[in-house]
Amino acid sequence: NAGVTQTPKFRVLKTGQSMTLLCAQDMNHEYMYWYRQDPGMGLRLIHYSVGEGTTAKGEVPDGYNVSRLKKQNFLLGLESAAPSQTSVYFCASSKTSFGEQFFGPGTRLTVL
Amino acid sequence: AQSVTQLDSHVSVSEGTPVLLRCNYSSSYSPSLFWYVQHPNKGLQLLLKYTSAATLVKGINGFEAEFKKSETSFHLTKPSAHMSDAAEYFCVVSGLAGGTSYGKLTFGQGTILTVHP
Repeated sequence: NAGVTQTPKFRVLKTGQSMTLLCAQDMNHEYMYWYRQDPGMGLRLIHYSVGEGTTAKGEVPDGYNVSRLKKQNFLLGLESAAPSQTSVYFCASSKTSFGEQFFGPGTRLTVL
Repeated sequence: AQSVTQLDSHVSVSEGTPVLLRCNYSSSYSPSLFWYVQHPNKGLQLLLKYTSAATLVKGINGFEAEFKKSETSFHLTKPSAHMSDAAEYFCVVSGLAGGTSYGKLTFGQGTILTVHP
């Protein structure tokens, strides 16, 4: 039981490049989330999903897209990376809407 | 709307002394409250959660928190700090996201705990 895993762990992009971050969970959770963490700002929700085939915007969705084609996977895409997207990205999942969220180890992204 | 304020961005204690990390919240609904811990370069781990049962909540590694509705506070305490407690701690409130039935987590800004030998 691996919990929540994220791929890759580190990535450096140039401005304008694109990439996809993969999150996978093996707990059969319905709810999945993408956050970004910046110093002194806690975690901010980018997008979330309440089930396979569904996605919704969080607090800071601009510049990101997501897909949830399979229940266990939640992908975060950056179509044209900008330096303001330099951050640590965390994926999380939960069994219920108000319950504990389980977090992945994070992806550290630098955009030059 | 809901919000969380962690009153201290940094707390420094000596090993073996008590720890107090302060958190105030606001919520339009009866909230669920959590404390998460993040060790350097790691993901977030749940320490404890309050979900309207007992107001004094015990968590892992000797931490506990008390829910005080009248003060809208959910402070985290530990009687005796250990070097391994050095980390960043986040107070989190769960409530309804506006216009949806989705439970939204709102994170505080974090408190960095330093433990001196």
